[in-house]
Amino acid sequence: EVQLVESGGGLVKPGGSLRLSCAASGFTFSIYSMDWVRQAPGKGLEWVSSISIGSSHIYYADSVKGRFTISRDNAKNALYLQMNSLRVEDTAVYYCARWEHDALDFWGQGTLVTVSS
Amino acid sequence: EIVLTQSPGTLSLSPGQRATLSCRASQYVTSSYLAWYQQRPGQAPRLLIYAASRRATGTPDRFSGSGSGTDFTLTISRLEPEDFAVYYCQQYGTSLTFGGGTKVEIK
Repeated sequence: EVQLVESGGGLVKPGGSLRLSCAASGFTFSIYSMDWVRQAPGKGLEWVSSISIGSSHIYYADSVKGRFTISRDNAKNALYLQMNSLRVEDTAVYYCARWEHDALDFWGQGTLVTVSS
Repeated sequence: EIVLTQSPGTLSLSPGQRATLSCRASQYVTSSYLAWYQQRPGQAPRLLIYAASRRATGTPDRFSGSGSGTDFTLTISRLEPEDFAVYYCQQYGTSLTFGGGTKVEIK
């Protein structure tokens, strides 16, 4: 069974940092591109970042470029999102998701990041 | 950036009725790169349709996708109680964007 489990969310002050993790199981992680998508409370979905299977292609939304860094460890079946210089508007549930069929075919349950003073 | 506009914002229907959801793109979208997701309250999104019209594994056949170019449609032929949720379209072109969502609520 495909499983994606996010962790690392929490409460952080503006300007602070957090590192999110996504543990993958039930599939061959190393052959799939992966993405992070976020959802602010009561709002819609916003794509954040994506990373190719060998980390050679990495993309970011303009809203997080220069502040967030996506990475992966295929040996550990893990995806990461390092978030620096956090802003109040980064408050959201962050989902990791698998890329397949040019869509996001499996999603984790999400981890909540709250940026507040 | 391609902007996706979903309409209506809210659709109030009864179980057994047909639902038609629209997704309009600001620029041409390759059909291969248009997907639909369902999100129930408190849950993560779930892929329903990819490549505009292909059902994902586990998607009931009452869900169908159609369209091309800039106009795409998700149709639910007969609403079941579990179908009342929010639906998002998504495109992948130069970047990945989602529409604002359509909430299908019980009338």
